Amino acid sequence: GENVEQHPSTLSVQEGDSAVIKCTYSDSASNYFPWYKQELGKGPQLIIDIRSNVGEKKDQRIAVTLNKTAKHFSLHITETQPEDSAVYFCAGGYGGSQGNLIFGKGTKLSVKP
Amino acid sequence: KAGVTQTPRYLIKTRGQQVTLSCSPISGHRSVSWYQQTPGQGLQFLFEYFSETQRNKGNFPGRFSGRQFSNSRSEMNVSTLELGDSALYLCASSLVAGSYNEQFFGPGTRLTVL
Repeated sequence: GENVEQHPSTLSVQEGDSAVIKCTYSDSASNYFPWYKQELGKGPQLIIDIRSNVGEKKDQRIAVTLNKTAKHFSLHITETQPEDSAVYFCAGGYGGSQGNLIFGKGTKLSVKP
Repeated sequence: KAGVTQTPRYLIKTRGQQVTLSCSPISGHRSVSWYQQTPGQGLQFLFEYFSETQRNKGNFPGRFSGRQFSNSRSEMNVSTLELGDSALYLCASSLVAGSYNEQFFGPGTRLTVL
């Protein structure tokens, strides 16, 4: 089955710097890769996703890149702000089924003012 | 538009008891999924419901069960609670099942088993 590994587990950056979180997946059938942000006391919130027919997607300060050959995808946050502090999860899945969507273990991002 | 609501937000139970958690999806959403979140295992899929039918079930023992009602509201039940069942239980809703349209998560129910 699919296995998704996420690195680093914690990341601390200064406000204004960039942050990069990386994930690798094992199942070449995976074709959907969402990223979620979870703030304290809240459920995860989808912030961006990418499908395997696209190599890069950008939404304001957030971008995701996908390398299908290497089976890895990354989240890039530019000009980080204190409100970006949260736990970020990547996931990989196929077939449209939530049961096939496997999550990484999460990255705790701290942005210091 | 109201988000996904989960009740109760916190629960404390003792080993051997059973518990029922409730989830109300966003209005118009017909698919509901449940997840268990723990520090060690992360987010793990429990089950997915669509139109009152269970479409998928994760790798959890039969003590974990769920159902969905005609108004798309869903409940999950855990019987014979064990210490290891202590976790945050998250519910997520989406418009339909079978395609990766956006899932919206509720705030979760924090279950503590003593």
